[in-house]
Amino acid sequence: DAGVTQSPTHLIKTRGQQVTLRCSPKSGHDTVSWYQQALGQGPQFIFQYYEEEERQRGNFPDRFSGHQFPNYSSELNVNALLLGDSALYLCASSLYRVYTEAFFGQGTRLTVV
Amino acid sequence: AQRVTQPEKLLSVFKGAPVELKCNYSYSGSPELFWYVQYSRQRLQLLLRHISRESIKGFTADLNKGETSFHLKKPFAQEEDSAMYYCALSGIQGAQKLVFGQGTRLTINP
Repeated sequence: DAGVTQSPTHLIKTRGQQVTLRCSPKSGHDTVSWYQQALGQGPQFIFQYYEEEERQRGNFPDRFSGHQFPNYSSELNVNALLLGDSALYLCASSLYRVYTEAFFGQGTRLTVV
Repeated sequence: AQRVTQPEKLLSVFKGAPVELKCNYSYSGSPELFWYVQYSRQRLQLLLRHISRESIKGFTADLNKGETSFHLKKPFAQEEDSAMYYCALSGIQGAQKLVFGQGTRLTINP
């Protein structure tokens, strides 16, 4: 089991552009959560997907959107990129209805210039 | 409001000395508390969870509801304990979002 995989590992975008990040959950997991980790800060919850629906959302603007596919993989989309969106984006997978340890991916480092 | 505070950004101790990483939280209700660790060039991983009452790699953490604290302790630090440590909380049912502190970088000096 490869665990949680994220792609790409690094990305450089220009202000105003749009970006899509991808995540494949750990085998057997059905829930994907996305976090933003700015430099020197702890991860901040963006949103969570289960059964292809957004179930919980953190304090992030509508520019941040997501999707979950039938195979449980997920995408994070950010529109109209700002310099402040530069961060490490982490994906975590778990099971929805029973506590399971949340497994994290290695993250995607997004730099907005 | 849900909040986790780790007052020390950096902590440096000598090998063999005791370690205590502080964590305070605010949460309306009964949260689950966790410690996550990130070793150099590795992904974020769960170290321990308060409800398990386990000792992992010699670390323990006791939930003090009166002081709303969940400090991480180890009696004798080892060099391989050097890492970034994050305290986090969540709700108690199913897949809940994690609220993280800003982290403490622990360095163990030889």
